[in-house]
Amino acid sequence: GAVVSQHPSRVICKSGTSVKIECRSLDFQATTMFWYRQFPKKSLMLMATSNEGSKATYEQGVEKDKFLINHASLTLSTLTVTSAHPEDSSFYICSARPWGATYNEQFFGPGTRLTVL
Amino acid sequence: EDQVTQSPEALRLQEGESSSLNCSYTVSGLRGLFWYRQDPGKGPEFLFTLYSAGEEKEKERLKATLTKKESFLHITAPKPEDSATYLCAVPAGGTSYGKLTFGQGTILTVHP
Repeated sequence: GAVVSQHPSRVICKSGTSVKIECRSLDFQATTMFWYRQFPKKSLMLMATSNEGSKATYEQGVEKDKFLINHASLTLSTLTVTSAHPEDSSFYICSARPWGATYNEQFFGPGTRLTVL
Repeated sequence: EDQVTQSPEALRLQEGESSSLNCSYTVSGLRGLFWYRQDPGKGPEFLFTLYSAGEEKEKERLKATLTKKESFLHITAPKPEDSATYLCAVPAGGTSYGKLTFGQGTILTVHP
């Protein structure tokens, strides 16, 4: 149980293009999903929190116009990196908190490796 | 502000050599402590939730324990496949409800 998928697992794009990453909770409903970024050999950095049906809450220093988040349903959230540049290259990971979770556990997706040329 | 500190940063063990990883925390009110395992190039895999001091959880060669100030992840007779980064995290409360504060992780390498 508590499986989260991400698609795509890897994406390479040209500078200036936009990339969409999907995060799905496969066997549970998630009212809240989180998007993280991870640099090599570093811990996870929270980018934003998304709640189903409402606007995402972004962490300080994260550009909301560059990283568009949509949480359209209880099982799907998307992150769109707009006008991507090489400095946006990173490992992006989503997580989902099951509806009704007792202790706020988050279950993570496998991650998406974005490379911007 | 919640703080989570893990030690050591890296740990090298021989196969079968038991050891422990430490996670010290400072929080305004503990709402659980989570352990995750992360393999290179993958997302963290959920291992355990601990909620109250004295609680213990076990899974195969791993046992997690919790006190009022720290948590330990004991690894008994580790195998090379236990090599990974182990992360602990605590959930925030108040206006940051549900957000996780992570430690920096312990990179465990088990040599055959």
